[in-house]
Amino acid sequence: EVQLVESGGVVVQPGGSLRLSCAASGFTFDDYAMHWVRQAPGKGLEWVSLISWDGGSTYYADSVKGRFTISRDNSKNSLYLQMNSLRAEDTALYYCAKDMTTVSYDAFDIWGQGTMVTVSS
Amino acid sequence: DIVMTQTPLSLSVTPGQPASISCKSSQSLLHSDGKTYLYWYLQKPGQPPQLLIYEVSNRFSGVPDRFSGSGSGTDFTLKISRVEAEDVGVYYCMQSIQLPRTFGGGTKVEIK
Repeated sequence: EVQLVESGGVVVQPGGSLRLSCAASGFTFDDYAMHWVRQAPGKGLEWVSLISWDGGSTYYADSVKGRFTISRDNSKNSLYLQMNSLRAEDTALYYCAKDMTTVSYDAFDIWGQGTMVTVSS
Repeated sequence: DIVMTQTPLSLSVTPGQPASISCKSSQSLLHSDGKTYLYWYLQKPGQPPQLLIYEVSNRFSGVPDRFSGSGSGTDFTLKISRVEAEDVGVYYCMQSIQLPRTFGGGTKVEIK
């Protein structure tokens, strides 16, 4: 069974840092690009970041560029999101999601259950 | 960034009746490779989004055939031929022709 399990979400103060993790199983992890998508409480979906299958290319939403860093460890089938200089508006449920294709970057076919990040003093 | 606009904001549907959701993009989603990169997701209450339709009209694995997608260019529609109780939730369209990926604001479907 294809599965993504996020962890690392906590309550953190504004200006603080946090690292989210996503453990993948049930598919060949290093064949696929991976994404982070977030959802603020009661709001819609916002794409956050993308990393290529080998980690060589990364992309970010303008709202997090320069503060967040996406990475992956293919030997551990794991995806990460390092979040620095956190702001109240970063409060959201963070999902990791698997890209649909092995040949480029596309939409997401599998999502994790999400991990909640709350930025509050 | 490509802006995705969904209508209506919400729908209340009698079981067994059809439902339709519109999604318009600010730019064409037709790629030079001939594919149109428009997707539909359903987020059921308390769950992550699940993929329903990819590339305008292709049902994802396990998606019932009462769901269908259509459209081209900048104008797209998701139709549910006969709404069932398990179809409640928020429906989102999304484009993947360019970064950043962008979603419509969502359409909440409820059962009457």
